[in-house]
Amino acid sequence: KAGVTQTPRYLIKTRGQQVTLSCSPISGHRSVSWYQQTPGQGLQFLFEYFSETQRNKGNFPGRFSGRQFSNSRSEMNVSTLELGDSALYLCASTGMAGGPNTQYFGPGTRLTVL
Amino acid sequence: GNSVTQMEGPVTLSEEAFLTINCTYTATGYPSLFWYVQYPGEGLQLLLKATKADDKGSNKGFEATYRKETTSFHLEKGSVQVSDSAVYFCALSDPENQGGKLIFGQGTELSVKP
Repeated sequence: KAGVTQTPRYLIKTRGQQVTLSCSPISGHRSVSWYQQTPGQGLQFLFEYFSETQRNKGNFPGRFSGRQFSNSRSEMNVSTLELGDSALYLCASTGMAGGPNTQYFGPGTRLTVL
Repeated sequence: GNSVTQMEGPVTLSEEAFLTINCTYTATGYPSLFWYVQYPGEGLQLLLKATKADDKGSNKGFEATYRKETTSFHLEKGSVQVSDSAVYFCALSDPENQGGKLIFGQGTELSVKP
């Protein structure tokens, strides 16, 4: 079974631009969660989508948004980029095969904001 | 609120030494507990998990026991290898969020010298 895939792997943007990141979950998984990883703040939860609905949300500004499609693929969007948005963005999918509540992570998208 | 605290790193050990990385948590209800490992430039890999009190998770020589009385989930390995060098994250699955949200500790960097 293919793992979680994320595209692109690397992105360089400038302040004020917007960016869209994509995540394809493990086949059969219906939940996708997103996290931001930075050296200063560590791993922080952004949001979770389940069956095309946002089910949980972290404490990030409205510039961070997401959506999920009927095939469970998910995208997250960051508008009006700031220097502090530079981070590794990780997505994870959750399914029952590994036991409930078990999240499997993709390789991440490294975003650099200049 | 729910939280996870890990011992600070970096931890430097010689090959074949015994490893302990301490992890304690605060949570309402009965969370599931996880250890993830991150190698340089990669995403998070699930190392082991435990879903209820007194459960022992184990994988690749690593072990951790869910101790509700001490709210701990310490990671241990009897004999580390150079290839174990990585960052280790303890996490809990927020029981109020249907498993879609993980709360992470700050991570502990392990360096194993030959």
